[in-house]
Amino acid sequence: AQSVSQHNHHVILSEAASLELGCNYSYGGTVNLFWYVQYPGQHLQLLLKYFSGDPLVKGIKGFEAEFIKSKFSFNLRKPSVQWSDTAEYFCAVNEGTTDSWGKLQFGAGTQVVVTP
Amino acid sequence: EAGVTQFPSHSVIEKGQTVTLRCDPISGHDNLYWYRRVMGKEIKFLLHFVKESKQDESGMPNNRFLAERTGGTYSTLKVQPAELEDSGVYFCASSPLGQGRSYEQYFGPGTRLTVT
Repeated sequence: AQSVSQHNHHVILSEAASLELGCNYSYGGTVNLFWYVQYPGQHLQLLLKYFSGDPLVKGIKGFEAEFIKSKFSFNLRKPSVQWSDTAEYFCAVNEGTTDSWGKLQFGAGTQVVVTP
Repeated sequence: EAGVTQFPSHSVIEKGQTVTLRCDPISGHDNLYWYRRVMGKEIKFLLHFVKESKQDESGMPNNRFLAERTGGTYSTLKVQPAELEDSGVYFCASSPLGQGRSYEQYFGPGTRLTVT
């Protein structure tokens, strides 16, 4: 069965530290890749997405992600985090060319806490 | 532009009762999705409407769940009768239907359902 794995469930780091969250998926075909974020008390919102083209994608708030097809990975990075980046981060995958083209499959989420 | 709205924000019911959740998508979005997150688990896809038709209902857990989208606007998700394991947060999302199928999904705030 297809799956999405996020490597860490909880990450605690200090402001100005660098952040990298791992995401691997098991789909073999064409995929669309997403990172969503849920800040405390807010709804899920899109950080960035990859459909095709340049495998290094930039999103909002200084986040970027790199799609490495050979590794089935889509890791999220931010060079220097702020306290306001405290949130839960979700990797999601969508198979673009099947009957389930609308279905997002999510990873378990990573709770990131940034300390002042 | 108004985002995806969901009602109620929180519902507490007893096992065996019926609950109906409502989702209003962003105006003009033909795609509407339902997801659920049971505590401690990943966000899981339930189903996908394109306008008023069910495109994919592969994630519906059983026949106690009934989703409708009459007229292709808002959608309801009814759980009848509710069981304890139905507790969780139910998210609705919407996206436009255009030339490409690969659109980001916009999420609502969720309805927290507690079955006691």
